[in-house]
Amino acid sequence: DTAVSQTPKYLVTQMGNDKSIKCEQNLGHDTMYWYKQDSKKFLKIMFSYNNKELIINETVPNRFSPKSPDKAHLNLHINSLELGDSAVYFCASSQTGTGTTPLHFGNGTRLTVT
Amino acid sequence: SQQGEEDPQALSIQEGENATMNCSYKTSINNLQWYRQNSGRGLVHLILIRSNEREKHSGRLRVTLDTSKKSSSLLITASRAADTASYFCATGFSGGYNKLIFGAGTRLAVHP
Repeated sequence: DTAVSQTPKYLVTQMGNDKSIKCEQNLGHDTMYWYKQDSKKFLKIMFSYNNKELIINETVPNRFSPKSPDKAHLNLHINSLELGDSAVYFCASSQTGTGTTPLHFGNGTRLTVT
Repeated sequence: SQQGEEDPQALSIQEGENATMNCSYKTSINNLQWYRQNSGRGLVHLILIRSNEREKHSGRLRVTLDTSKKSSSLLITASRAADTASYFCATGFSGGYNKLIFGAGTRLAVHP
């Protein structure tokens, strides 16, 4: 069974649209994350939730809104999509949110905004 | 600004050779982690080394950490074509909730 799964794998949409990406982990971890990987492979954290509570909120446009209905799920909603939002978005989880335990990543959602 | 920076950006070797990748960082850390990313996939955790450790082994992987130089290296011995991937270092900090900060990665190509 996949430990961290995210859907969809690919997302192609037009500027101005609203889209969501879903993520689920079955590892029993307390902390979940959204990372963005740009075309140069640079990976940057966007948000982190610990047991449904937002603990890290990087400088991200407020068009991006995460939601964690329970500690096994973390979704990402993006409003008014822009060309610059094109990237691969990774969900991840870890046992704690202290930065001292390994992250487990999903396989990513490649978002293309045209 | 970016915390970890890998060197080299790209590395091309033959099967059977060793591959060494380096990571430098700027501030004090609690731990340093190495991850592998195959094309089109998520990152996979390889090894975590704590700031009070100097060396760690896992199979064909050997990681060293020099906190005085703020650097780490990942050595893959007897490389295989299946080791072809991007390798990232990530630094972790102690105290409260913290984020791992990733470098830009080293792209390793192992040719049969």
